[in-house]
Amino acid sequence: DAKTTQPNSMESNEEEPVHLPCNHSTISGTDYIHWYRQLPSQGPEYVIHGLTSNVNNRMASLAIAEDRKSSTLILHRATLRDAAVYYCILRDEDYGGSQGNLIFGKGTKLSVKP
Amino acid sequence: NAGVTQTPKFQVLKTGQSMTLQCAQDMNHEYMSWYRQDPGMGLRLIHYSVGAGITDQGEVPNGYNVSRSTTEDFPLRLLSAAPSQTSVYFCASSPPSGDPSSYEQYFGPGTRLTVT
Repeated sequence: DAKTTQPNSMESNEEEPVHLPCNHSTISGTDYIHWYRQLPSQGPEYVIHGLTSNVNNRMASLAIAEDRKSSTLILHRATLRDAAVYYCILRDEDYGGSQGNLIFGKGTKLSVKP
Repeated sequence: NAGVTQTPKFQVLKTGQSMTLQCAQDMNHEYMSWYRQDPGMGLRLIHYSVGAGITDQGEVPNGYNVSRSTTEDFPLRLLSAAPSQTSVYFCASSPPSGDPSSYEQYFGPGTRLTVT
């Protein structure tokens, strides 16, 4: 399975933008890049996903490098509620069967200071 | 919708005891899975199911059994609990492949299990 590499931890100030990097140099052409986050004492929740183009939704933006070997999750204005572990995950475009499984690494623990 | 529900929230077992962790979803999702999360680690897949009557093993299946008799329920059975199974267990579900929202997995709140 293709692996991702993320920093163990990052810090941000409240109301400032946060850029969370992810390297995935062995990504295949059919792998989507997914981001999930896990708030303290909760199950993971979906944040965003993309294939080649940059993506935006109400939670965040995803910037994907042209060669797809890296990506960056962007939180435009961090709030205290965004303090969580953020996971960058590669997932095959066929979500059925074993391709539907998510393979979690250790993620990046984001701390947000008031 | 209640989403994905898990019971119990907390459980303490003695070594050798058996128990069943319950998971249910009311979103008519075909795909369901069980993960475990050890302290400071990411989640690891135990078992998964792509529909009623179909189950398969994930990364760490030893010591666990599953069945899927209905679309809604996906219980996880610990056959003979061991201290190494102390962990937080998460159940997840998602729509089938081909559904526009199949990219998203929905997770339950977790069951914190301690085996002494």
